[in-house]
Amino acid sequence: AQKVTQAQTEISVVEKEDVTLDCVYETRDTTYYLFWYKQPPSGELVFLIRRNSFDEQNEISGRYSWNFQKSTSSFNFTITASQVVDSAVYFCALSDPTTSGTYKYIFGTGTRLKVLA
Amino acid sequence: NAGVTQTPKFRVLKTGQSMTLLCAQDMNHEYMYWYRQDPGMGLRLIHYSVGEGTTAKGEVPDGYNVSRLKKQNFLLGLESAAPSQTSVYFCASSYSRAGGAFHEQYFGPGTRLTVT
Repeated sequence: AQKVTQAQTEISVVEKEDVTLDCVYETRDTTYYLFWYKQPPSGELVFLIRRNSFDEQNEISGRYSWNFQKSTSSFNFTITASQVVDSAVYFCALSDPTTSGTYKYIFGTGTRLKVLA
Repeated sequence: NAGVTQTPKFRVLKTGQSMTLLCAQDMNHEYMYWYRQDPGMGLRLIHYSVGEGTTAKGEVPDGYNVSRLKKQNFLLGLESAAPSQTSVYFCASSYSRAGGAFHEQYFGPGTRLTVT
């Protein structure tokens, strides 16, 4: 069965520290996509990144970086030099194909990151 | 572009009352989704639609109904509200799987519903 596990319920760091948010997934599919979303205190959900199963290159976007490892079924998210504005709940998600050829998503339970000034 | 909008933003219902939540998107997306978010449980899929006139059940469909009469709108109905349906409801939309890709979802701002 498809599953996404975010074992870290809450993480607190001091500003400028680096922090890694873990995401472990289970899937029976050979082609799949992984996503990260951010939910700041204001409540909206903001898309951060999409990664397909054939692309294992790490990606960096400013202070954000993602490490995708198929061997360990993980798609971890690192924030370098964290800032207070990074405080949010972060969700990892996995594509979940339907029998009709369409798709939906499975979300993890989220990791709440608190960055303290 | 307004993106994905949800109406209303807040609502308080008494047990047994009914209501409809409206989701609208102006991005010409084929797929639309309704989720509920509860503390510690992430986002759980209620119902989804892969095109106008089609709907399907998600993970937690009981107590909810949906309709997709127009491509841009996806309605979520509660026929007889229960306190267990107190939650934040999010609507999302995405492009179809044409070409084999899975696309990211765009979310609405959410509706906070309290059932007393």
